Amino acid sequence: RKEVEQDPGPFNVPEGATVAFNCTYSNSASQSFFWYRQDCRKEPKLLMSVYSSGNEDGRFTAQLNRASQYISLLIRDSKLSDSATYLCVVNILTGGFKTIFGAGTRLFVKA
Amino acid sequence: SAVISQKPSRDICQRGTSLTIQCQVDSQVTMMFWYRQQPGQSLTLIATANQGSEATYESGFVIDKFPISRPNLTFSTLTVSNMSPEDSSIYLCSVNLLGLAGGLSYNEQFFGPGTRLTVL
Repeated sequence: RKEVEQDPGPFNVPEGATVAFNCTYSNSASQSFFWYRQDCRKEPKLLMSVYSSGNEDGRFTAQLNRASQYISLLIRDSKLSDSATYLCVVNILTGGFKTIFGAGTRLFVKA
Repeated sequence: SAVISQKPSRDICQRGTSLTIQCQVDSQVTMMFWYRQQPGQSLTLIATANQGSEATYESGFVIDKFPISRPNLTFSTLTVSNMSPEDSSIYLCSVNLLGLAGGLSYNEQFFGPGTRLTVL
């Protein structure tokens, strides 16, 4: 089983739609959680951290459920520019610091 | 934030040859990370490059195949040795910055633009 699992998609949505991505992680020693965005042929960049209480940044809302080891990202009012791959990222601290990347969920927003 | 540059940005190489990728960071960092990302796949950590000590390799990666140098706190190189077509991938250099801002701790990983390697 992969340490971080995501639905690879692709998700094809019209502009203005709301779309949600899910991610599960298997290591209970996971300490911090992030969503990164990767545009085609570009490097990944941090979109937002995910806090236990849930957090919002504009049209983006991230949720964490530690009991179920589940993370989500909600995008409201999708824009064409949201088209990218969204990577779920988990930091694990067990005798050292390790970052695990999910394989990513591809999103296409169409006009 | 951290600004990372990599050279070369892309290369096409013959099998059996070696390529050295350079990574330069605009600030001093203790650890630099080398990742590989194959088409449609997730990022896979190759090794962690520590300044002043040997690199730490992940399972499936060995020093003879991927020798790493870390001569100072802002620079590292990764060599892909004796290349085969299976080594065709994007290689990314990365650093992790931890700190406090506005009373909140942050933890952000920054990546270089990547080196796109094709082995024929």
